Amino acid sequence: DIQMTQSPASLSASLGETVSIECLASEDIYNNLAWYQQKPGKSPQLLIYYASSLQDGVPSRFSGSGSGTQYSLKINSLESEDAATYFCLQDSEYPTFGSGTKLEIK
Amino acid sequence: EVKLVESGGGLVQPGRSLKLSCAASGFSFNDYWMGWVRQAPGKGLEWIGEINQDSSTINYTPSLKDKFTISRDNAQNTLYLQMSKLGSEDTAIYYCAKAGFSGFDYWGQGVMVTVSS
Repeated sequence: DIQMTQSPASLSASLGETVSIECLASEDIYNNLAWYQQKPGKSPQLLIYYASSLQDGVPSRFSGSGSGTQYSLKINSLESEDAATYFCLQDSEYPTFGSGTKLEIK
Repeated sequence: EVKLVESGGGLVQPGRSLKLSCAASGFSFNDYWMGWVRQAPGKGLEWIGEINQDSSTINYTPSLKDKFTISRDNAQNTLYLQMSKLGSEDTAIYYCAKAGFSGFDYWGQGVMVTVSS
């Protein structure tokens, strides 16, 4: 099975800053990667699919990039509502999730 | 508006079975793969499995293949998860989700399953 190594496990950033979250796959996943945001007590919300396509309704400050085994989620101009846990999901083979990144806004 | 509403969760004793349901609305249910994902308290997400439009293909994460069964009723726009031989490790929030272009694009609010004596 394909392992997804997500980093960092947590990060803290200030309003207006830019942050990046990484996911490294154990083998090539051919851009079959999605990014999710999850707030406490809520279900995950899709942000990015196919590595770089923005889901309808998601602010343009979110972007995804990468190929092969390395992928990243970038959040520009952080807002307070971006405080959440972020997960990656590969579905090149049967789906596996990254372990999550908890983002705190200072 | 896409809506997925899970039901059937609760407290169940170890070794017993439980069946979850997911009522779908707001989209053409029989046109999409559907799946189940769970999240143990304070932990990350675990994909359980998925089912295609006409139930001819059902995939499971290997560790759960002998315990869980996914099915659907397209006439009732409902997805099911039959769980058997439950143990404490199965305590989690269970989400149903609609497949998108990659991954799942819509998720239900989740239903809690607690396995305890």
